Amino acid sequence: SQQGEEDPQALSIQEGENATMNCSYKTSINNLQWYRQNSGRGLVHLILIRSNEREKHSGRLRVTLDTSKKSSSLLITASRAADTASYFCATGFQKLVFGTGTRLLVSP
Amino acid sequence: DTAVSQTPKYLVTQMGNDKSIKCEQNLGHDTMYWYKQDSKKFLKIMFSYNNKELIINETVPNRFSPKSPDKAHLNLHINSLELGDSAVYFCASSNRLNGNTEAFFGQGTRLTVV
Repeated sequence: SQQGEEDPQALSIQEGENATMNCSYKTSINNLQWYRQNSGRGLVHLILIRSNEREKHSGRLRVTLDTSKKSSSLLITASRAADTASYFCATGFQKLVFGTGTRLLVSP
Repeated sequence: DTAVSQTPKYLVTQMGNDKSIKCEQNLGHDTMYWYKQDSKKFLKIMFSYNNKELIINETVPNRFSPKSPDKAHLNLHINSLELGDSAVYFCASSNRLNGNTEAFFGQGTRLTVV
């Protein structure tokens, strides 16, 4: 079965606003990753957070991890039209198991 | 320099045909994967190879046969194509030797079976 479930499935915001996406997973993890997929393209790795970390930042990205709730969130601050894409969380070592994804639309 | 490249980008073929998708990575990674993304954007792993050895086969029909001639290449051959095989297929690689699970993806091959 699918490891991760993400919500919302779709998110529409204006440029400059913040976007928050959530991911829940089912089994214990060593780390959790977030990927971005632009339309018609492959996935691009954004950030990895280890199970002993609670928060991590990378540029305008902020990821949190709550292992007790088996959940993670990705916050994109001051969004831009170029952030329009689908965002996936992923867990696993031997194989990455992806969430269902959040489609983010940022309007100018 | 494309890190993970796969060809072709688009493939339209008739039911019953046999087709191959090729993948090459120039990152020096030891592990390569094939993922299938369906029309709902659901991504699922199909195969994983580590140092040319098959380590994951996720209950994929045996019409799908991966082949890894060396660490840098992982090709996917599909026999007797069916309508349900229509999807985007992604090749990816990672370097498990150092415990890094970050995966690098190719641009995808959109397969349409008619």
